[in-house]
Amino acid sequence: SQQGEEDPQALSIQEGENATMNCSYKTSINNLQWYRQNSGRGLVHLILIRSNEREKHSGRLRVTLDTSKKSSSLLITASRAADTASYFCATDDMRFGAGTRLTVKP
Amino acid sequence: DVKVTQSSRYLVKRTGEKVFLECVQDMDHENMFWYRQDPGLGLRLIYFSYDVKMKEKGDIPEGYSVSREKKERFSLILESASTNQTSMYLCASSLRSWTEQFFGPGTRLTVL
Repeated sequence: SQQGEEDPQALSIQEGENATMNCSYKTSINNLQWYRQNSGRGLVHLILIRSNEREKHSGRLRVTLDTSKKSSSLLITASRAADTASYFCATDDMRFGAGTRLTVKP
Repeated sequence: DVKVTQSSRYLVKRTGEKVFLECVQDMDHENMFWYRQDPGLGLRLIYFSYDVKMKEKGDIPEGYSVSREKKERFSLILESASTNQTSMYLCASSLRSWTEQFFGPGTRLTVL
């Protein structure tokens, strides 16, 4: 069964806006990872956050983790057209959700 | 840079054929994984391997088998392909089971 469930399924924003995606999971984890997939390609790792971390930054990405709510969020600031992709969260048993499809309109 | 390669980007096979999907990684990773990806269902884990000749079933192993004779190579085998196995197949590797996964470009398999 899948551990991570992303929300929303799809998100459409204008270039320059911020995009927030959420991930919920069912059981305790040691870490959670976020990946990006451009159309028809393999996934690329974005960021890993450990269970003892609450927030982590990488460039325009900000990830938060709330273990009490079993949820994580990925914030992309000042989005660009090149950020158009699907975003997935994965728990440490390497199960992925269905992803959030982000479209950034120029 | 870690490189994960898959033998084909596109593959068309007929129902009942035996299909081999090959995956090779060049970074001496212990763990390798096979997923299938379908619209609306995300990635589903078929099999993974944490060492040579070791394999573990994922969530949807039915109709598939795997082989890992060498550390760098992980093969997915469809013993008798069926139309419901038409999908995108993604291979990945990681140093440890919980660390960053590196994905191949995927094989889009169509079974007619």
